[in-house]
Amino acid sequence: EVQLVESGGGLVQPGGSLRLSCAASGFTFSSFEMNWLRQAPGKGPEWVSFINSGGETIYYADSVRGRFTISRDNAKNSLDLQMNSLRAEDTAVYYCMRPHGGYWGQGTLVTVSS
Amino acid sequence: EIMMTQSPATLSVSPGERATLSCRASQSVNSNLAWYQQKPGQAPRLLIYGASTRATDIPARFSGSGSGTEFTLTISSLQSEDFAVYYCQQYNDWPPLTFGGGTKVEIK
Repeated sequence: EVQLVESGGGLVQPGGSLRLSCAASGFTFSSFEMNWLRQAPGKGPEWVSFINSGGETIYYADSVRGRFTISRDNAKNSLDLQMNSLRAEDTAVYYCMRPHGGYWGQGTLVTVSS
Repeated sequence: EIMMTQSPATLSVSPGERATLSCRASQSVNSNLAWYQQKPGQAPRLLIYGASTRATDIPARFSGSGSGTEFTLTISSLQSEDFAVYYCQQYNDWPPLTFGGGTKVEIK
């Protein structure tokens, strides 16, 4: 069974940093592309970032480019999202997602507030 | 960036009735269109990909149709567990992946 479990969310002040992780299991992680998406309260999902299976190809949404960094460790079956210079508008539930098959984790809440 | 527009924003339907949800793309996405269902406090769940292919374990009462810029999700006979928010998402021209604003299906 495919499982994706996010962690690392919490309350952070504007301008602060947070690192999210996604632990993958139930499939050969190194063979699959992955995404981070987020969903602000009461809003629809928003794509944040993409990384291909080997980590060589990376894309970011305009809203996070230059502040967020996606990475993966295929040996540890882990996907990360380093988030710097956080803003109030980054407040959301963050999900990791495997596009092939449409698998999503349960999400981790990030709240940016003073 | 391809904009996705869903209508209506809210659909009031009685259990057992048919529900028809629409999604329009600002330019052609061919058949690279997915539908998701989301219930409160849960992650989105993939229902349909390729505009019309049901994902694993999705009941046959869910069907998708369309191509190009106009798409439809039909729920043939609404069950109590189907009351939720539904999103369409294009993956034809990305980045970015883009989602519609959602249609809330509520009990009439």
